[in-house]
Amino acid sequence: QQQVKQSPQSLIVQKGGISIINCAYENTAFDYFPWYQQFPGKGPALLIAIRPDVSEKKEGRFTISFNKSAKQFSLHIMDSQPGDSATYFCAANTGGFKTIFGAGTRLFVKA
Amino acid sequence: DSGVTQTPKHLITATGQRVTLRCSPRSGDLSVYWYQQSLDQGLQFLIQYYNGEERAKGNILERFSAQQFPDLHSELNLSSLELGDSALYFCASSGGAGTYGYTFGSGTRLTVV
Repeated sequence: QQQVKQSPQSLIVQKGGISIINCAYENTAFDYFPWYQQFPGKGPALLIAIRPDVSEKKEGRFTISFNKSAKQFSLHIMDSQPGDSATYFCAANTGGFKTIFGAGTRLFVKA
Repeated sequence: DSGVTQTPKHLITATGQRVTLRCSPRSGDLSVYWYQQSLDQGLQFLIQYYNGEERAKGNILERFSAQQFPDLHSELNLSSLELGDSALYFCASSGGAGTYGYTFGSGTRLTVV
């Protein structure tokens, strides 16, 4: 119940295309769903986050879509760029404590 | 610079040894979290401290221990090291209840030989 399942494991997208990463959770107590971006040799960095009372949040080229009834959420990267090539982690958190991370998706954007 | 400082950046040690990893949280953050990331693996939660007290525990081995000091810096102690303990160890901090996003440090890469 504490797991967050993330897919796909890896993703190759052409420059300018849309990258889509999906996550699913079981625990309905989760109330905060962040996405983190990690470049090689660096720590993960908070990219964008959503709470379950909204269905979509957009920040620049990054959008989270949230489906509360299906217990699923996804990250869309519009106009993907080579600089977006990184590992992306979805996560879920409850009450401000202990964030559970998905397994990660390696994104490669081809120039 | 994220504001979370981890030292050392790299550590090479032999099996059976003991090491200490250090983390200074971002200024004003009360919570510190430790995560382990093995090669091509996700982030495994180890332990959380909030203002000096242990708040949550993950799959932390009995050979591992941690603490948070009055100045809020934290140390992760790894003992009786095994080859399988080789990994990146990340520290993250947050402001506590109500501020849910984490700020991660750059990690300590531990290699056990």
